[in-house]
Amino acid sequence: QQQVKQSPQSLIVQKGGISIINCAYENTAFDYFPWYQQFPGKGPALLIAIRPDVSEKKEGRFTISFNKSAKQFSLHIMDSQPGDSATYFCAAREYGNKLVFGAGTILRVKS
Amino acid sequence: NAGVTQTPKFQVLKTGQSMTLQCAQDMNHEYMSWYRQDPGMGLRLIHYSVGAGITDQGEVPNGYNVSRSTTEDFPLRLLSAAPSQTSVYFCASSSFYNEQFFGPGTRLTVL
Repeated sequence: QQQVKQSPQSLIVQKGGISIINCAYENTAFDYFPWYQQFPGKGPALLIAIRPDVSEKKEGRFTISFNKSAKQFSLHIMDSQPGDSATYFCAAREYGNKLVFGAGTILRVKS
Repeated sequence: NAGVTQTPKFQVLKTGQSMTLQCAQDMNHEYMSWYRQDPGMGLRLIHYSVGAGITDQGEVPNGYNVSRSTTEDFPLRLLSAAPSQTSVYFCASSSFYNEQFFGPGTRLTVL
């Protein structure tokens, strides 16, 4: 079973809109929650990350909201741009520096 | 710094053939790992290493071998390729409990 569940599978947003991707997890031993951005033909690249003792982290147009009691976290992309069109993966880190990934969300921002 | 490099970029194998996917990093990272990426399943950990001479299995290790004789290199061996191993393979490295950097990937097709 997938330890990190990600939704939606795909998302279409108008330029300037807000993109929201959600993830849920079960394992309370996860200690770090990164989001990766992947462009076609490239490897994933770290976008933003949060630790479970913080409820929100913002870097530019990207914000992670973290709800420890609900075991959920989400990525918000404000003022979405066509250049944000990519696949986004949430992940969670378990013991031994191992990452468990969600299934991915394909984001398309329409201009 | 070249970061994480992977070769080859593309490979086509016949069922039963063996091959080695190469991964190298020049950041002196202790931790290296191999993932496979399949549509709708995110990235899944195959094998990982916490330092030269130390390797361990991830979520989907069957059919793959690894070794880590140096800090820089972490090759992945397919012993007898099967169509189910058709995938995109990513190598990643990090200093322990820090950001994982991914390589550009190897797209493997097994006929």
